[in-house]
Parts: sequence; C-alpha cells; structure tokens
Amino acid sequence: EAQVTQNPRYLITVTGKKLTVTCSQNMNHEYMSWYRQDPGLGLRQIYYSMNVEVTDKGDVPEGYKVSRKEKRNFPLILESPSPNQTSLYFCASSSVDRGLDTEAFFGQGTRLTVV
Amino acid sequence: DAKTTQPPSMDCAEGRAANLPCNHSTISGNEYVYWYRQIHSQGPQYIIHGLKNNETNEMASLIITEDRKSSTLILPHATLRDTAVYYCIVRWFSGGYNKLIFGAGTRLAVHP
Repeated sequence: EAQVTQNPRYLITVTGKKLTVTCSQNMNHEYMSWYRQDPGLGLRQIYYSMNVEVTDKGDVPEGYKVSRKEKRNFPLILESPSPNQTSLYFCASSSVDRGLDTEAFFGQGTRLTVV
Repeated sequence: DAKTTQPPSMDCAEGRAANLPCNHSTISGNEYVYWYRQIHSQGPQYIIHGLKNNETNEMASLIITEDRKSSTLILPHATLRDTAVYYCIVRWFSGGYNKLIFGAGTRLAVHP
C-alpha cells in the first residue's frame, strides 16, 4: 500500500530539547516536503526536497532543519524547540513525471506540543 | 500560483450531490486546478485535478468553466464520511519547485 509514514503521531516535549520527527515514503517519490498547520493560518510549507541531498526552504523554515540522505526518508529536526513550534505537522511526497507533478500523498500528521 | 476563493462553509444532505465552487479568476493558461480534502485533522487527501476539460474519477467530478476562471467539485452522492474541509488549489508545473498553497478551504458538513 502506498503510504507516507510519520513518527511519532503525538509528542509533548520541553523547550530546548532537540527532537526529530521522521517521515518515510514507500513510493520512490522524488519530492518530499514538510508542512505545519495552525488554526487560522492553514497549511504552510516548512522545507522541501526535490531529491536526495537537495533541500530548500519553504515559507516558514526558521527553527527547523531537514536532511535527505535517502530517497525514502525526510526527517524534520527541531534543534531547540520553542512553544511557538507547537503545531500539527504533515509530511508529503509526490512524483514528477516528464516535468508534471502528480498528486501529493500526505502522512497522518504529528501533533507536537512544546511546553 | 493563482489565488482561489471558496465559500467558508456548506451543508449537504446525505445521499445528495455536493457541489463545491471555487473561483480562480487570475488563473493562467498552464495552471492546473487541484482539489484536496482534509478530514478532521488527518493528512490532506488528493481528490482530483484538471487543466481545461472536465474530469471524473471514483471520488468526484471536476467541472471547469470554459474561461477557466472558476470550477466546481461535485461529490455525486455525499455520505457522512465526506464531511471535511475541501481545498481548491491552482498550481503551475515548473518541474522543479513544488509547493501546494492551501487557502482556508470550504468546510462541508454532510448531515443525515
């Protein structure tokens, strides 16, 4: 079954304690990205990756890091989490065929609370 | 990407067709119309997309006006499980940069 898997689904942590949210896809997709969703602000892109070792900032990258060492994995790293990073996070992946993007598949989300 | 305008909320009776409108008056010739939905706080789910012609799949139909300035997503027989926020997104394919710009969407409530 085609899927994007995020872990953990729920996480409560304290300010400043480094954490990593993992994302893995089994569809051999080139594109992967991270979004955060906040009430009233909708879904906003944090970082994206066009392929292995190719990453770039989205709209709200401050306070986040990513890496893409393997095609299937795209972890989101919060080196020093702060309460304003409390949010619902989604990982997404999609393929590119002859320059045309296909539909994006989203993970089930990670609800992060930073206290 | 072109901006889209959707009504904030709509109601639909179970078993009836749900018609969700979207205005995208600034759409350009090479931009596609995409629809996604988000059930409660789950990850957004792709529904359908199109460029000019009407499209249909197992989930829905997409009707795009001839001038492409608006479109309608049709769920032919809405069920309670179709209650969700529906997002209309207009995208240009660059083969490189890849971002979905989600607006506020339409909150569809399907009632018995």
